[in-house]
Amino acid sequence: QSVLTQPPSVSGAPGQRVTISCTGSSSNIGAGYDVHWYQQLPGTAPKLLIYGNSNRPSGVPDRFSGSKSGTSASLAISGLQAEDEADYYCQSYDSSLSVYVFGTGTKVTVL
Amino acid sequence: QLQLQESGPGLVKPSETLSLTCTVSGGSISSSSYYWGWIRQPPGKGLEWIGSIYYSGSTYYNPSLKSRVTISVDTSKNQFSLKLSSVTAADTAVYYCAPQAIAGSFDIWGQGTMVTVSS
Repeated sequence: QSVLTQPPSVSGAPGQRVTISCTGSSSNIGAGYDVHWYQQLPGTAPKLLIYGNSNRPSGVPDRFSGSKSGTSASLAISGLQAEDEADYYCQSYDSSLSVYVFGTGTKVTVL
Repeated sequence: QLQLQESGPGLVKPSETLSLTCTVSGGSISSSSYYWGWIRQPPGKGLEWIGSIYYSGSTYYNPSLKSRVTISVDTSKNQFSLKLSSVTAADTAVYYCAPQAIAGSFDIWGQGTMVTVSS
């Protein structure tokens, strides 16, 4: 089991805003370790979407935004598009386990 | 622009050693900006960090795999490698390599290589 918990699925209509939560604990997100987010389109490798809690790499649309508070983090997708259908993973470091951990993953469906 | 390519056998027998290589192009593996990591994803499941290495050879591994994992680097070939011993069916997965920034993010991913453990 992962120590970072995400909802298995979220969905929204085109143009809507959806958010994905990533819930951790005092030994990872709550300890101040950065949270990063990845997008995995079907059949492809993951792609870095957000790094350092809220920063977008070059080329990532500003429809994607990240935030962190306490022991949780969130990824928001505004103006949802069909091409956003994918699996999304959060990632951080856990000091109790001494391991880089990924979240359980969330499948985003565009209705 | 960094690019990474995994290579190695797609089929490994149970109890044997899985060996993969990641070739880095478009940049130097001796860059001080990155560690170099391995991540895997079993079919239909989530991502698991295996371990990472710095160009100097310093390594750190997932404790759950540490007894079976060795990651090494060859700066002359701009490559780093993964060896996972005593494999079982549970090690069947797509294996990815990626540069890991100091803050921990895996910035660019290789396309991945599927490794099946079966007799």
